[in-house]
Amino acid sequence: GQNIDQPTEMTATEGAIVQINCTYQTSGFNGLFWYQQHAGEAPTFLSYNVLDGLEEKGRFSSFLSRSKGYSYLLLKELQMKDSASYLCAVRDEGDDKIIFGKGTRLHILP
Amino acid sequence: KAGVTQTPRYLIKTRGQQVTLSCSPISGHRSVSWYQQTPGQGLQFLFEYFSETQRNKGNFPGRFSGRQFSNSRSEMNVSTLELGDSALYLCASSQQETQYFGPGTRLLVL
Repeated sequence: GQNIDQPTEMTATEGAIVQINCTYQTSGFNGLFWYQQHAGEAPTFLSYNVLDGLEEKGRFSSFLSRSKGYSYLLLKELQMKDSASYLCAVRDEGDDKIIFGKGTRLHILP
Repeated sequence: KAGVTQTPRYLIKTRGQQVTLSCSPISGHRSVSWYQQTPGQGLQFLFEYFSETQRNKGNFPGRFSGRQFSNSRSEMNVSTLELGDSALYLCASSQQETQYFGPGTRLLVL
């Protein structure tokens, strides 16, 4: 079957670093995405990993280990505007569908 | 470039009615996907269209249907609405791997 797991909620402090984990089980793999979604808004693209390793983009980095079915999103120098839900999604190579996790709601405290 | 647009933004219907939602992708994008988002289930894939052909379909009943026109604009239709169809319906267009989401149509079924 297809399954993507990520924590439901996390809390972190402004200026700190937070790591949001995502594990997946799919019949095939053809890329992993991270999206940010503010309340009441549409998801916006953050990162795409298809090979193992770390992809850095400003304050955000995303890591992928295909052998472990594992990814994380690392957010540095947290700002209040980073309070949002973070969605992990995997493109299943078998049926080419993109499967989303239920999202991690991140709360930033001042 | 203009982003993905969806109309209408909000809709209230009663059980048994039908509804048609519209999506205009980013200019040049030929792939359009539809998702249903609810608090309990997260983002769930409905279907994907590419060059007027349905390329993929999620696990939704036949009451949910869609189509894509030659200008890549897409519509989705839900017939015989049920209370459980109340959700945010998101459309995303893509050119390669990355999907860009529209603001969504929030449907309330009474």
